[in-house]
Amino acid sequence: DAGVIQSPRHEVTEMGQEVTLRCKPISGHNSLFWYRQTMMRGLELLIYFNNNVPIDDSGMPEDRFSAKMPNASFSTLKIQPSEPRDSAVYFCASSLRPENIQYFGAGTRLSVL
Amino acid sequence: AQSVTQPDIHITVSEGASLELRCNYSYGATPYLFWYVQSPGQGLQLLLKYFSGDTLVQGIKGFEAEFKRSQSSFNLRKPSVHWSDAAEYFCAVGLAGGTYKYIFGTGTRLKVLA
Repeated sequence: DAGVIQSPRHEVTEMGQEVTLRCKPISGHNSLFWYRQTMMRGLELLIYFNNNVPIDDSGMPEDRFSAKMPNASFSTLKIQPSEPRDSAVYFCASSLRPENIQYFGAGTRLSVL
Repeated sequence: AQSVTQPDIHITVSEGASLELRCNYSYGATPYLFWYVQSPGQGLQLLLKYFSGDTLVQGIKGFEAEFKRSQSSFNLRKPSVHWSDAAEYFCAVGLAGGTYKYIFGTGTRLKVLA
């Protein structure tokens, strides 16, 4: 298996623009997690899905952030409008079930100018 | 509230020396425990995990960790460090019983001197 695939690997955008991050989980995994990593706050769970349904979005910082999982093989994290403080590395992870080991993608480094 | 503490932000060791990275957690029940490693520009790779049973767990790359319930600790060890072990190490607690969240520590950056 190719592992968790995230795209793009790097994204540079200007403040106010819409940003969409993409994730393809490992085939057969039923749970998907979005994390944000910053120097100040470390790794934070933003939201997780189980069987394509959002289970816990308490970590989503603001209404500017939204996440979808239209099917078992694809998820998006959208920021609209983006702000400089959104600059971070965003990771996607998947697991067979919520309580199982999470496998991480390589991340998307977002820079908002 | 649940938390994970990695008290050492940076650790420097010489190649061939032994290593211990500390991790303490705060959680009311027995958690699932994990150590991940992150190389620069890369995602997180699982080193080892503890779910139940033997409190000394073996992982990849020669790492091991010991769960000590009385100390709420899950320290990572390696008897002889290699230069390629230089990376950032994260301890994580998996909360069972409903939320299934991971809570990550702030990480320990390991530097290895040749």
